[in-house]
Amino acid sequence: DIQMTQSPSTLSASVGDRVTITCRASQSIDSWLAWYQHKPGTAPNLLIYRASSLQSGVPSRFSGGGSATEFTLTISSLQPDDFATYYCQQYNSYPWTFGQGTKVEIK
Amino acid sequence: EVQLVESGGGLVKPGGSLRLSCVASGFTFRTFTMNWVRQAPGKGLEWVSSISSGSSYIYYADSVKGRFTISRDNAKNSLYLQVNILRAEDTAVYYCARDFGGSGALDYWGQGTLVTVSP
Repeated sequence: DIQMTQSPSTLSASVGDRVTITCRASQSIDSWLAWYQHKPGTAPNLLIYRASSLQSGVPSRFSGGGSATEFTLTISSLQPDDFATYYCQQYNSYPWTFGQGTKVEIK
Repeated sequence: EVQLVESGGGLVKPGGSLRLSCVASGFTFRTFTMNWVRQAPGKGLEWVSSISSGSSYIYYADSVKGRFTISRDNAKNSLYLQVNILRAEDTAVYYCARDFGGSGALDYWGQGTLVTVSP
């Protein structure tokens, strides 16, 4: 199985900050990577697919990059609505696997 | 508007069974691969199972293989997960999720149904 490792696990930041979350795959997954935002009690929300494609309706302050084994999710200017947990997911091969999550907290 | 509504969760004893359901609306259900993903309390997301549009291709996580069965009824726009021989570690919110264009990214999710396994 492909292991996905996110860093950091927790990130404290202020509104307006630029934040970057990293996701590493245990083997190459080409660009078959998605990013999700998840808030307690709600359904996860797809932000980025194919490593860098912005899902329809997602604000442009979110961007994704990388390929093969190293990927990033960047929020260019953190907004109050962005405090949540973020997950990467590989879909290069079954079983699909998620990173352990990065919680973005208010500093 | 795309909607996915799960049901069937509840409190069950170890070794017990449940059948989870997910009713879809707002899109052509029969053309999409569908998935179940779960989240245990205080833990991250875990993919559980996938089923292709025509049920020809089915995949499971190792943690549930042999105990869980995914199925669908395209005439009823419904996805199912039969969960058997439940263990405490199966306690989780179970989400159904649509596969975005057959790629594996999950673009619509339901609100989830809670399964609690406890004596």
